[in-house]
Amino acid sequence: EPEVTQTPSHQVTQMGQEVILRCVPISNHLYFYWYRQILGQKVEFLVSFYNNEISEKSEIFDDQFSVERPDGSNFTLKIRSTKLEDSAMYFCASSGDRGSTTNEKLFFGSGTQLSVL
Amino acid sequence: QKEVEQDPGPLSVPEGAIVSLNCTYSNSAFQYFMWYRQYSRKGPELLMYTYSSGNKEDGRFTAQVDKSSKYISLFIRDSQPSDSATYLCAMRAWNTDKLIFGTGTRLQVFP
Repeated sequence: EPEVTQTPSHQVTQMGQEVILRCVPISNHLYFYWYRQILGQKVEFLVSFYNNEISEKSEIFDDQFSVERPDGSNFTLKIRSTKLEDSAMYFCASSGDRGSTTNEKLFFGSGTQLSVL
Repeated sequence: QKEVEQDPGPLSVPEGAIVSLNCTYSNSAFQYFMWYRQYSRKGPELLMYTYSSGNKEDGRFTAQVDKSSKYISLFIRDSQPSDSATYLCAMRAWNTDKLIFGTGTRLQVFP
């Protein structure tokens, strides 16, 4: 069964450092997302991406964050200068074409646990 | 009032019991409703998806949406120890990509 793959599973970084979280969405999906979950809190939307541009972003997704689809298979989230409060589990998700009935069905990866020290 | 409210539990039931999980919401624009299951330190796994109001059944799982009451439910029949996980409701409006999640209900099914 196709799945969303995320690497690395754990990332430890020093405050102020840049990190790149990587995702390989399901191959025929066209919509891509990043969500995060701070320990003990809700899963929160960060950004959606379609047709090589940001479709929607939350207030959390400030100038420190960026997303990119550098090739036909990868989708990345970059945090330019990490803060302590960026420590969270980051989930990538993908879904089908907006015109289909499967767009609303988001499939999530297993996440990257980011720890900022 | 929070946009989506969900009792965090934990909910502990014996194997074979019928489990009822619920969420309430305040935004009348929500039209797409989902239930996800999340095992510890894993990503949410889509269980059920419902558009607008009504019921949907898939095996041991039944999802219900009552838009007039802003209330959604997930029923699990013949619960199994392998159903032990956190169950997240999620929903979104027609004009946004943003899924709003509940806090999740932790379910434990004991043999």
